[in-house]
Amino acid sequence: QLQLQGSGPGLVKPSETLSLTCTVSGASIRSSGYYWGWIRQPPGKGLEWIGNIYSSGDTYLNPSLKSRITISVDTSKNQFSLKLRSVTAADTAVYYCTRHAGIYSSSWYPDYWGQGTLVTVSS
Amino acid sequence: SYELTQPPSVSVSPGQTGTITCSADKLGDRYASWYQQKPGQSPVLVIYQDSKRPSGIPERFSGSNSGNTATLAISGTQALDEADYFCQTWDSSTVVFGGGTKLTVL
Repeated sequence: QLQLQGSGPGLVKPSETLSLTCTVSGASIRSSGYYWGWIRQPPGKGLEWIGNIYSSGDTYLNPSLKSRITISVDTSKNQFSLKLRSVTAADTAVYYCTRHAGIYSSSWYPDYWGQGTLVTVSS
Repeated sequence: SYELTQPPSVSVSPGQTGTITCSADKLGDRYASWYQQKPGQSPVLVIYQDSKRPSGIPERFSGSNSGNTATLAISGTQALDEADYFCQTWDSSTVVFGGGTKLTVL
């Protein structure tokens, strides 16, 4: 059974960098046909896609966040990571790591979600 | 940027069919997916590629997509179906979500 486990600090100071890692178990991150990604949800609000990465390192990023984010993959550890720079209170959210299917049919959709990590930006 | 519009709330009586819409320009030309999210939980995929159900999702969940509107229908709605529902599609290599609809089972 595929599982995604996000980890990282729950509190980040304004202007600093938010760093999260997602560990994948039950499947190889090298599995063909899947992207791995991050989605966030501010408290009481909707879902916002952050970006996706393939095992090769190929990335797709949300244009509104692109200048501040880096997504990377470590296939040897079956992990992928998110860095979000220069955070503000508006970046406070639950951050979900996800697997995205459907890439061969122009229908990307996140089919597996991690449990979510609440990250609060506050001094 | 491509935007998906959902009604903020929908109410349905137990046992009846609840429908949630998701609208955007020519949405029917793309695939739509739907997610159920209960309080304090991660979203769960209930419909993908317009009308397909993942393993483990009850048959009472169905989806369609045509023209400018994708629709999620829940037949024989139960109290446990009360949740937030989000539609999603893919546009120019970006993942797009609707704002979400709170389904209340009265």
